[in-house]
Amino acid sequence: EAQVTQNPRYLITVTGKKLTVTCSQNMNHEYMSWYRQDPGLGLRQIYYSMNVEVTDKGDVPEGYKVSRKEKRNFPLILESPSPNQTSLYFCASLRTGLLNTEAFFGQGTRLTVV
Amino acid sequence: AQKVTQAQTEISVVEKEDVTLDCVYETRDTTYYLFWYKQPPSGELVFLIRRNSFDEQNEISGRYSWNFQKSTSSFNFTITASQVVDSAVYFCALSAQNQAGTALIFGKGTTLSVSS
Repeated sequence: EAQVTQNPRYLITVTGKKLTVTCSQNMNHEYMSWYRQDPGLGLRQIYYSMNVEVTDKGDVPEGYKVSRKEKRNFPLILESPSPNQTSLYFCASLRTGLLNTEAFFGQGTRLTVV
Repeated sequence: AQKVTQAQTEISVVEKEDVTLDCVYETRDTTYYLFWYKQPPSGELVFLIRRNSFDEQNEISGRYSWNFQKSTSSFNFTITASQVVDSAVYFCALSAQNQAGTALIFGKGTTLSVSS
């Protein structure tokens, strides 16, 4: 089954404690992306990757890191989380094609930083 | 620059009313894709529809219909005879590919509340 898997689904952590949210896709997509969703602000892009070893900043990259060492995985790293990073996070992979471009999303990670 | 605007932040209707969610987009690319997603209270994003920029046919799927108009850069979504289960946040999104690469951006969403 084609899917994007994010883990964990829920996470409560303390300020400053490094954490990683994993994202894996089994569709061999080149494009992957991370978004955060906050009330009234929609989904804002944090980082995206167009292929292995190619990553770029989105609209709100501050406080986040990513890596793309292999095509299937695109982890989101918070080196020193702060309360303003409390949010709902989504990982996505994009199938690109002339007629069948489509985005696939993970189930979301609800992060609380206290 | 690419942009998606959903001007309606919140909409409240009573069951069986029709409701239209607006989406206006901006892009300089000639090939692009538009999407609608539904986010129920459980939080996951549910794909509803994709439309290619070169296909302006409107689409109907049950109580849902979509009106794509390139002339006004709009991709509006109508729910006919709304039901309580339609209560959710709805996102419009734009994906375009150009020399700079691929982008997938979202509007801020419209929260639809349907009461019985």
